[in-house]
Amino acid sequence: AQTVTQSQPEMSVQEAETVTLSCTYDTSESDYYLFWYKQPPSRQMILVIRQEAYKQQNATENRFSVNFQKAAKSFSLKISDSQLGDAAMYFCAYPQGGSEKLVFGKGTKLTVNP
Amino acid sequence: GAGVSQSPSNKVTEKGKDVELRCDPISGHTALYWYRQSLGQGLEFLIYFQGNSAPDKSGLPSDRFSAERTGGSVSTLTIQRTQQEDSAVYLCASSFWDPGTEAFFGQGTRLTVV
Repeated sequence: AQTVTQSQPEMSVQEAETVTLSCTYDTSESDYYLFWYKQPPSRQMILVIRQEAYKQQNATENRFSVNFQKAAKSFSLKISDSQLGDAAMYFCAYPQGGSEKLVFGKGTKLTVNP
Repeated sequence: GAGVSQSPSNKVTEKGKDVELRCDPISGHTALYWYRQSLGQGLEFLIYFQGNSAPDKSGLPSDRFSAERTGGSVSTLTIQRTQQEDSAVYLCASSFWDPGTEAFFGQGTRLTVV
């Protein structure tokens, strides 16, 4: 079965510090995409960052970056200079079987302490 | 509208009643997804549409759940004879038909079965 695993149900970080959220996945595909979505208390899921598997360079979006290890099937999210507004649930996602059926991990609740 | 719209935002229903949840995707998006999110949990895939057809209905929890999409646009998720375990947030998302494209989410419908 193709799955997405987030092993950290909860994480906390001090404001302005850096935190890394982990994600592993299982696939037999060679070319695919990976996503991190953020869900604040408003429930609105928002795309944070995406990674194309055939690209070796890690994706970066401002304070957000990924550490993509294709061989290890690992896709971690690093948040630098954490801000109070970063507090949310973070979900790792993967289009299963090369289709558009997005499969999500169980999420990591991030708390940012002032 | 500019985003994915779901209605109602909240729905309280009595056990045994039928409910209909509506999703208006972003215009032009050919893919549409339904997910269920129980309290504090990840997103459980229910069904997705490619145009008006549903290639994968494997996530529907039981035959009490059904969904349709008409005109390649609006989708309705129907739950018949609701049970208390159906209580959850139902999220809809839409995207272009491309594995790497971003899925845009609505704010969800919170269903409470009493």
